[in-house]
Amino acid sequence: EAQVTQNPRYLITVTGKKLTVTCSQNMNHEYMSWYRQDPGLGLRQIYYSMNVEVTDKGDVPEGYKVSRKEKRNFPLILESPSPNQTSLYFCASSDDRFTYEQYFGPGTRLTVT
Amino acid sequence: AQSVTQLGSHVSVSEGALVLLRCNYSSSVPPYLFWYVQYPNQGLQLLLKYTSAATLVKGINGFEAEFKKSETSFHLTKPSAHMSDAAEYFCAVSGGDTDKLIFGTGTRLQVFP
Repeated sequence: EAQVTQNPRYLITVTGKKLTVTCSQNMNHEYMSWYRQDPGLGLRQIYYSMNVEVTDKGDVPEGYKVSRKEKRNFPLILESPSPNQTSLYFCASSDDRFTYEQYFGPGTRLTVT
Repeated sequence: AQSVTQLGSHVSVSEGALVLLRCNYSSSVPPYLFWYVQYPNQGLQLLLKYTSAATLVKGINGFEAEFKKSETSFHLTKPSAHMSDAAEYFCAVSGGDTDKLIFGTGTRLQVFP
């Protein structure tokens, strides 16, 4: 089954404790992206990647890192999480460089206390 | 720069009534337009998309949307609401000089019996 998977689905952590949210897709897509969803703000792009070893900042990259060492994986790293990073995070992938139609993972709900 | 405006953060309808969710876009070039749906505790799922073919686009679950260039709109409709349609709906735009999807802030649809 074609899908984007994320782990963990739920995470509660404390300020400053480094964490990684994994994302994997099995569709051989080149384009992958991370979003955060906050009430009233819709989805905002954090980082994206056009291909292996090619990443770039989205609209809200501060406090986040990403890497793309393999085509299928695109982990999101929070080196020192803060409460304002409490949010719902989505990973997505796409093989369409014209429309950027995307397939979304199930989401990771992160709470930073 | 492209942008998307969804009018009404909450829409309530009775079961069997017409559903109309509004989306207006701002784009200097012909856009690609999407509607995504997010059911509770799930990721986003593509409902339908406009990619410069027919202006009336049919999607899944009986939804459709019409691209109106003169009004810069891409409103989502369904003739008869069902309880299972209760979800959050996002309009998104891409194309031109942007290499990403730009999302609206979402509209939560409630369906009452």
